[in-house]
Amino acid sequence: EAGVAQSPRYKIIEKRQSVAFWCNPISGHATLYWYQQILGQGPKLLIQFQNNGVVDDSQLPKDRFSAERLKGVDSTLKIQPAKLEDSAVYLCASSPSARSGYTFGSGTRLTVV
Amino acid sequence: GENVEQHPSTLSVQEGDSAVIKCTYSDSASNYFPWYKQELGKGPQLIIDIRSNVGEKKDQRIAVTLNKTAKHFSLHITETQPEDSAVYFCAATPEDKLVFGAGTILRVKS
Repeated sequence: EAGVAQSPRYKIIEKRQSVAFWCNPISGHATLYWYQQILGQGPKLLIQFQNNGVVDDSQLPKDRFSAERLKGVDSTLKIQPAKLEDSAVYLCASSPSARSGYTFGSGTRLTVV
Repeated sequence: GENVEQHPSTLSVQEGDSAVIKCTYSDSASNYFPWYKQELGKGPQLIIDIRSNVGEKKDQRIAVTLNKTAKHFSLHITETQPEDSAVYFCAATPEDKLVFGAGTILRVKS
């Protein structure tokens, strides 16, 4: 079974620029999550999708972050404009059902300078 | 919302010794508790999980225990090996999403 694919692996941008991350979940997984992991901390949920609908985006800074999951498969997470404090690893995860089988991708390491 | 506390933040053990990492959670609605291992430059990888209707689960050198009354669960690694060195995260699942602890850096000295 192929894992959760994420790209790019690394990205360096200047503050106030925009950036986008892409995630392809495991085939058949209805639920998709984006997590932000700041160095030395545990991952924190940004947004949860069920198929192509948003279930929870309460922790997403909506003034600068946006995410979509078209057709209930791939997802993109965008930051515009980026701030220094957005430097982190952005992890995508998917699961086939509630409360089980969460699988993570390798993440995108974002550095904002 | 759910709050997961994890201790210790760092743990150094000698190869062959046991390692124990403990977590507490606050939301009694959580009923699934996975543990993840994260190596440098990689995403978290599930190593073992437990549901609230089970008190203990074991998989070779790894075991997890859950005390639902006290709202705490623990990861036990026996006969540690250098390749066990990594960051370990516990998590709880209120409302179908993972809430993580802050992580434990495990160093196994050979």
